[in-house]
Amino acid sequence: GENVEQHPSTLSVQEGDSAVIKCTYSDSASNYFPWYKQELGKGPQLIIDIRSNVGEKKDQRIAVTLNKTAKHFSLHITETQPEDSAVYFCAARLLGGGADGLTFGKGTHLIIQP
Amino acid sequence: DAEITQSPRHKITETGRQVTLACHQTWNHNNMFWYRQDLGHGLRLIHYSYGVQDTNKGEVSDGYSVSRSNTEDLPLTLESAASSQTSVYFCASSAVAGANEQFFGPGTRLTVL
Repeated sequence: GENVEQHPSTLSVQEGDSAVIKCTYSDSASNYFPWYKQELGKGPQLIIDIRSNVGEKKDQRIAVTLNKTAKHFSLHITETQPEDSAVYFCAARLLGGGADGLTFGKGTHLIIQP
Repeated sequence: DAEITQSPRHKITETGRQVTLACHQTWNHNNMFWYRQDLGHGLRLIHYSYGVQDTNKGEVSDGYSVSRSNTEDLPLTLESAASSQTSVYFCASSAVAGANEQFFGPGTRLTVL
């Protein structure tokens, strides 16, 4: 089955700086890579996703890049703000495959220092 | 507004007892999922369903069961609770097979003593 590794487990950055979280996956057939943000006491919420036929996707201060050859993808947050503090999870899935559930990384606790 | 809810939000039970966690969504989504979240493991898939009367095992299904008698609900049952099942449980749903976004509920924190 799929295995997703996520680094770092904790990331502390100064407000206004950029943050980068990296993930690698094992199954070359995976073709969908979402990123979820989880705030304390809440369920994960999708913030951005990318399919394997695209190398990069941006949404305001958030971007995701995908390197299919190396089987890794990254989340980039620019101009970080206090409300960006949360746990971020990457995930991978084979769209159209038999199992529709997501395989998650172990999460990154992002801390924005004022 | 459509939503996905879980109940109870917190539950304490004893080893060996049967426990059922409820999940209810009002989006009329076909697909529903149960995950558990543990420190150091992230979220792991327990069971999932593509529609009424359909259930499938996920990565960590041992000791858990689900049933899907209608579109809105996917209850998760722990047949005989074990301390290793102490965790936070999340239910999620998505519109159709292969749909991009899964919407997650607020979670149930279960403690097995």
